[in-house]
Amino acid sequence: AQSVAQPEDQVNVAEGNPLTVKCTYSVSGNPYLFWYVQYPNRGLQFLLKYITGDNLVKGSYGFEAEFNKSQTSFHLKKPSALVSDSALYFCAVRDWGGDKLIFGTGTRLQVFP
Amino acid sequence: DTEVTQTPKHLVMGMTNKKSLKCEQHMGHRAMYWYKQKAKKPPELMFVYSYEKLSINESVPSRFSPECPNSSLLNLHLHALQPEDSALYLCASSPSLTGEGYEQYFGPGTRLTVT
Repeated sequence: AQSVAQPEDQVNVAEGNPLTVKCTYSVSGNPYLFWYVQYPNRGLQFLLKYITGDNLVKGSYGFEAEFNKSQTSFHLKKPSALVSDSALYFCAVRDWGGDKLIFGTGTRLQVFP
Repeated sequence: DTEVTQTPKHLVMGMTNKKSLKCEQHMGHRAMYWYKQKAKKPPELMFVYSYEKLSINESVPSRFSPECPNSSLLNLHLHALQPEDSALYLCASSPSLTGEGYEQYFGPGTRLTVT
């Protein structure tokens, strides 16, 4: 069965500092991995995805994520956080041939000025 | 254009009302989804349409009835809802249901309140 874990309910970081939002996954085959961001009372916005190839994936708004197969992780990173990055972040996985996107429980990112 | 639109943005309905939520996309996507999301929780999949046919029904109560009139439109008909059905209802679309790792594009959602 597929599953995704986001071990931190909330991550706090000062503006200008690097940020990391953690995600680990479990699938039976090769994973497709996604990060989404959700601002209050809005839909989910796609940030980036890993399908195959380079382990470092670059996405929207300066975010990037590193795929680590041995650790089954796909952590979201940004070199310098902005207050406007404060939002709810969801990691999601689908295995090859699967028809459903499995979401993690979400991590609230709070960036302080 | 990577936009999924949803109407209305907000809906308040009584438990005896009948209402519908609408979703539209013009990206040529052949898979469309309905999700329910409670506050600070991940979206929960409700229904999936693939090539205008219902592909997945996640054991959703019959008071929710989906409809896909054409490849661009997705409706969710609501009848005799309960207060616990109050949530943000999200529509999404993707080029196809399986195969390559296509991302899903989400609409802004309809905030539903059942009184």
